[in-house]
Amino acid sequence: SQQGEEDPQALSIQEGENATMNCSYKTSINNLQWYRQNSGRGLVHLILIRSNEREKHSGRLRVTLDTSKKSSSLLITASRAADTASYFCARYQTGANNLFFGTGTRLTVIP
Amino acid sequence: EAGVTQFPSHSVIEKGQTVTLRCDPISGHDNLYWYRRVMGKEIKFLLHFVKESKQDESGMPNNRFLAERTGGTYSTLKVQPAELEDSGVYFCASSQGLSGARTEAFFGQGTRLTVV
Repeated sequence: SQQGEEDPQALSIQEGENATMNCSYKTSINNLQWYRQNSGRGLVHLILIRSNEREKHSGRLRVTLDTSKKSSSLLITASRAADTASYFCARYQTGANNLFFGTGTRLTVIP
Repeated sequence: EAGVTQFPSHSVIEKGQTVTLRCDPISGHDNLYWYRRVMGKEIKFLLHFVKESKQDESGMPNNRFLAERTGGTYSTLKVQPAELEDSGVYFCASSQGLSGARTEAFFGQGTRLTVV
């Protein structure tokens, strides 16, 4: 299957707390990307991590990748109400020239 | 620099009618992708253009869907005739480059299609 799994499906936290979302996949990848979708809007690229990288940071975002376990996690530190959105991981699979998405994690940050 | 634009943002049509969605990618991006998200489910790949050529259309659900990319610029996705299960949000994305290392994709706002 092209699909991966993201968990949790929904996450609700208080403002200031950290949010962790996980993504697992089944096939080998070239890179893995995280996107955010605010309600009713398009997907916004957050961060890309290549298969030979283990960790990457961008502002309050931290992404890890474990290719042996075929999993990735996205950590948002010191969350804000504006972080409320759906978060998707997308795999760029070896041999394919497109992205495969999962169902996403719906994050709600309560002010 | 203008981003990826999609038109219309919303469309409500009756079953059996025809709808055409349009996507204008970022200028200079050879790769153009169409994706669809049905309510609550994953974002599914539909097809991929490289310039005006269809590189991969393995995700197209059936022959009621027809995608074109005139002159390697904008793309259209036509659904004819539309069925109830075609409802969802259709996203278009574009990117530069052909290698896996440079595949940050820029997405449009999506077209929400409702078939009644």
